[in-house]
This record gives sequence, C-alpha cells and structure tokens, in this order.
Amino acid sequence: DAGVIQSPRHEVTEMGQEVTLRCKPISGHDYLFWYRQTMMRGLELLIYFNNNVPIDDSGMPEDRFSAKMPNASFSTLKIQPSEPRDSAVYFCASILSDSIPLNEQFFGPGTRLTVL
Amino acid sequence: GNSVTQMEGPVTLSEEAFLTINCTYTATGYPSLFWYVQYPGEGLQLLLKATKADDKGSNKGFEATYRKETTSFHLEKGSVQVSDSAVYFCALANAGGTSYGKLTFGQGTILTVHP
Repeated sequence: DAGVIQSPRHEVTEMGQEVTLRCKPISGHDYLFWYRQTMMRGLELLIYFNNNVPIDDSGMPEDRFSAKMPNASFSTLKIQPSEPRDSAVYFCASILSDSIPLNEQFFGPGTRLTVL
Repeated sequence: GNSVTQMEGPVTLSEEAFLTINCTYTATGYPSLFWYVQYPGEGLQLLLKATKADDKGSNKGFEATYRKETTSFHLEKGSVQVSDSAVYFCALANAGGTSYGKLTFGQGTILTVHP
C-alpha cells in the first residue's frame, strides 16, 4: 500500500504566482481532507470531500484558495495568487468510511510551501 | 461545537522519564478520541485511539484512557526514549451526522527527550 501521496514535497514560489498542490488518496478511501499547518495557527482543516463532492469548505481562508476532486484518486488545492502568508505545510489525508467505530485518517507526507 | 485542549508545551524530558500529556475535550454525543504523532518532516500518524467511555488505547508503550466523567484522554508513557521526540496531537471525531470523519485537533505538544 503506497499510502497517501502528495506532490510536490517542496514548493518555492514568488508572491503573485499560482500554486497547485496535488494529492492521491489511498485507493478505495471515500473521504479526503486538506489541512494547513503553521507555527502560529497549528493544524487547520481547509476543506474535505466525500465521494469527490466537497462537504465542508468553511476552513478555506479566502477566494484565492480553491480545491477540486475530479475523481476518486486525485485532488488539487490551488492558490491564486499566492502570498507570503500562505507559506505553510499542506497535508492531505484520507479515510474509508466503511464502519463504525470511525477509521483513522491516513496523512500524506505534506507539501512545504514557501512564498517569497 | 467540538474543541480539544492540550497542555502547553514544549515538554522536555530525560530518557526513561515518565510522560503525561493532558488532553481535555468538549463535544456533543459520543466522540471517538485519538492521539496522533508527527515526527520531524513527516505527516501525522495515528498513535492510538478509543471509541467509547473507559476504553484504553495503547501502542508502542503509550496509553490513554477515555474518561467521559472528566472529558479527558491523557497520554502516558512509563519510560520515554529519544526516538519519542515528536509533536503529539489529541483529536476527536464524531462518527455520525454531517461532520462524519472530521477531526478536531488540539494545538499539539512538542516533546523533546534528551539522552
């Protein structure tokens, strides 16, 4: 099992540029989560999907952020235009909702984004 | 709404010392409780979990007991190792309803263990 795959692992860009982060969940998992982690704000849930449909995007900071899940095996988080305050580690996680009690979330290794 | 409060860090211990990281929660219904660990440069991974009152989760020498009466899920280890140095997150999730699968995390506690 390859686990949750994220790319790129590191991204350095200049303010104003578009940034696209990618995530491949574990095969068969039907929930996908995007998080952002910073020293100041800790771990924040940005958005999550169930069966490719966005369920809750209340954590998305502003219109510059958008997320899509065109199919069960791929999701993107896009920032356009990027700003220095977007610098953070972005994590993707997935779960399989096949039973109660709740299964664990499996996290990817994260993408470290630096906006100069 | 749901919330999780962890003890302030960072925590610094010598090898073989006893570890306690406090975690209390506020939630409706009967949440599942988790401890996740994040090693340097990595994503979070599940350390242990408990799904109902009085359950004890355990893994790698770590333990935590789901205490409904005190709404707590404190993490303990009898003898820490240098390799336990990481950030520890307490979290809860409600199994049903529109928030299914969504985790509420505490702020994280940095643990450093010295030889």
